[in-house]
Amino acid sequence: GIQVEQSPPDLILQEGANSTLRCNFSDSVNNLQWFHQNPWGQLINLFYIPSGTKQNGRLSATTVATERYSLLYISSSQTTDSGVYFCAVGHNAGNMLTFGGGTRLMVKP
Amino acid sequence: NAGVTQTPKFQVLKTGQSMTLQCAQDMNHEYMSWYRQDPGMGLRLIHYSVGAGITDQGEVPNGYNVSRSTTEDFPLRLLSAAPSQTSVYFCASSFQTGYGYTFGSGTRLTVV
Repeated sequence: GIQVEQSPPDLILQEGANSTLRCNFSDSVNNLQWFHQNPWGQLINLFYIPSGTKQNGRLSATTVATERYSLLYISSSQTTDSGVYFCAVGHNAGNMLTFGGGTRLMVKP
Repeated sequence: NAGVTQTPKFQVLKTGQSMTLQCAQDMNHEYMSWYRQDPGMGLRLIHYSVGAGITDQGEVPNGYNVSRSTTEDFPLRLLSAAPSQTSVYFCASSFQTGYGYTFGSGTRLTVV
């Protein structure tokens, strides 16, 4: 099956810093989503982005499908950004996703 | 509009017991799926459904059954619980291909 690798596995930032999270995948995809899992375990959909660039406030994402990677940018980080960020990809009609291992982010005040 | 509702939130089972994890959505989503998340890991797909009456296996289906008799509900049944099934279970739904997922809040299951 398709492989999804995320880097870095762990990241510690000071509040106000910027960061880039990377997601590499091993095959062509027609579905790519970024999720944030907060410290209470809730999974929140950040972006549906199989290609191109999207922005939502301090977060933006870019997927270069031809080169099989996606980037999630977090600007002016806040303590509430802490948690685990997952990239998930799919390549079939059922919209099913394969998840990467996640990037665990801690933002210190 | 409640989104995706999972019950119970917590459950402890003895080895060999059976139970059903409930998942319901009120967004008229066609696609529903069950994932499990083990400590420090990403999510793995157990079973999924692309519409009422249609289900299929995911990556880790052994020991679980599903059915989809209505668009709204997608229960997950543990047939004979084992300690290896200790995990957090998430239900998700999406409108169709090309739309993002909405996740439920999860069920934390411990099998002793």
